Amino acid sequence: EAEVAQSPRYKITEKSQAVAFWCDPISGHATLYWYRQILGQGPELLVQFQDESVVDDSQLPKDRFSAERLKGVDSTLKIQPAELGDSAMYLCASSLSGNPDTEAFFGQGTRLTVV
Amino acid sequence: SQQGEEDPQALSIQEGENATMNCSYKTSINNLQWYRQNSGRGLVHLILIRSNEREKHSGRLRVTLDTSKKSSSLLITASRAADTASYFCATDPSGNTPLVFGKGTRLSVIA
Repeated sequence: EAEVAQSPRYKITEKSQAVAFWCDPISGHATLYWYRQILGQGPELLVQFQDESVVDDSQLPKDRFSAERLKGVDSTLKIQPAELGDSAMYLCASSLSGNPDTEAFFGQGTRLTVV
Repeated sequence: SQQGEEDPQALSIQEGENATMNCSYKTSINNLQWYRQNSGRGLVHLILIRSNEREKHSGRLRVTLDTSKKSSSLLITASRAADTASYFCATDPSGNTPLVFGKGTRLSVIA
């Protein structure tokens, strides 16, 4: 069964260091999302891609976060420099485009701990 | 910001009992979806209900939607220990847009 792949599963980094997460969506899914989930909360959107273009990054803290999807397939989310408050689960999801009633498929997430 | 608000925040029941979770939202929607998340894992889609639908079933799941009250409920019948997870409602404001999630209900099913 096709699934969204994320790596690494866990990452511990010191504050002020750079960290990067990778996501490979389900083949054929043009839409890709990065969500951040703080413990005990629901996921909150950071950025949405349609193919290689950013559709919505209004909630992305652009002073330290960046996201790219150069070839419209896999994507990388980077944080530089990391802060203690960035500790969270980072979830990648993908969905088919062009259909308003479609589900999003989530990866297993990357659990980031900033120390 | 989060649009959905699940109620209760936490629910503990015995195996075999029914579990009901509620979701309220603020703006008009195209559809509402329910997801499940096991501890430390990704989210799994459970069911989608369109704004013009009032009730939908999938196995032991029953979802209702009341657009006049901007609310939805998820009923899990004959619960099992394996149903222990967090459940989130997510709204799709206009179709093909990012889902907006609530804070979730943590369900514990005790064997």
